[in-house]
Order: sequence, then structure tokens, then C-alpha cells
Amino acid sequence: GNSVTQMEGPVTLSEEAFLTINCTYTATGYPSLFWYVQYPGEGLQLLLKATKADDKGSNKGFEATYRKETTSFHLEKGSVQVSDSAVYFCALTQGGSEKLVFGKGTKLTVNP
Amino acid sequence: KAGVTQTPRYLIKTRGQQVTLSCSPISGHRSVSWYQQTPGQGLQFLFEYFSETQRNKGNFPGRFSGRQFSNSRSEMNVSTLELGDSALYLCASSLDGVQETQYFGPGTRLLVL
Repeated sequence: GNSVTQMEGPVTLSEEAFLTINCTYTATGYPSLFWYVQYPGEGLQLLLKATKADDKGSNKGFEATYRKETTSFHLEKGSVQVSDSAVYFCALTQGGSEKLVFGKGTKLTVNP
Repeated sequence: KAGVTQTPRYLIKTRGQQVTLSCSPISGHRSVSWYQQTPGQGLQFLFEYFSETQRNKGNFPGRFSGRQFSNSRSEMNVSTLELGDSALYLCASSLDGVQETQYFGPGTRLLVL
């Protein structure tokens, strides 16, 4: 079945550091890929998405590129801020289904 | 445009009771999905409704059920609550349900004692 694997957290960075959170997936065909973010005590917010190979999703300084050859969708940001502290989830949907398959989540803490 | 709303936000129940959670999707959205979030299992898909019909179902026991109304609002019900049902229950809506972006509500946090 479809699955998503994210790097284990937690990740702790200093403000203005470079961020990478690795995400790889297993799926047949061509899934759509997503990054969601969850701030403490809140639901999930869509951060960015990509629907086909080589697409780059971007939002709020975050980027991720859909790499079919490596089945990856790594999240990057050049300079993190304290306000980026949250849990980040990589996810996919496929085959006309609305079912989101999530990774385990990666908790990011950014210190001033 | 108002986002996805869920009521109640917090709920405390005891084992054996039943509970009903409500979700109002974004106006114009016809697909509603439910997810359970726990520290151990992470985010797991419960079911999806589209135009009042259950279209997909996850691997949860029959104690978990749901429905969707003609105005796209959805409810989920859990009967005979168990301690392990303590979780954050998230609702998400999307336009027509074909690999569309899903927008999540703030969730209902259920504690079973």
C-alpha cells in the first residue's frame, strides 16, 4: 500500500539556520504530494503541494520539489524563524481518493 | 470565506458512552474527511463522505460511523467508547473530492476516562 516516511525528529535549529526535512514515499502511479504544518493546539494547515513530477511547491519561504526518480519530496527553507516552530507532516493522495496518507511528523523547534 | 469549523472543541467522556462530533465544511465544499490523531499511531484516515455518501473508509472498527447531510455538514459517532479512543479528531473538506487540496478544521479533542 501507499506509505510516507519522514525523518525522525525532533529537529532543533537556531534562527536563520537552513532547514531540510526529508520525506520519501511509496506509491503506485502518480500521487499528489503535500506538506502540512501543525502549530501547538491547532489543526493542520496546508503549507505547499505538488501534483506531478518535477513540480516545485512553495509558500512562506518553504519549498519542496516532487522527485519521481528518488520518490522524494523534501522540505527546505533557507532561513528559519522562531515562528516556524511546529510539527511538519508529509502526505500523499492517490488514485482519485481523498484519503491522505501521512508520515509520522517531524517536530521543529527554532531557538532565538 | 469561513474555514472548516468543528464542534465541540473539547470533550470528556467515560468508557462505554457514545459521542457525536460535528464538522461544517468550507462553503461550497462537498467532500468531508475525518482523521484520528494520536501520539502513538499518528494521523489515520477514518472515512470520507461526498454528496451524502460514504466514499472511502479506513481500518477502524464499526463503532466508528459517520454521515453527511444535504448541506455537506458531517457528523461522526463513536459508540461504546474505549480509553484508546482518546485522540484529536480532525475534519477536512475539499471541493469535489478528486485529489483536491483538503482544508482542515481545528479538531475536537476527546478524552475518554
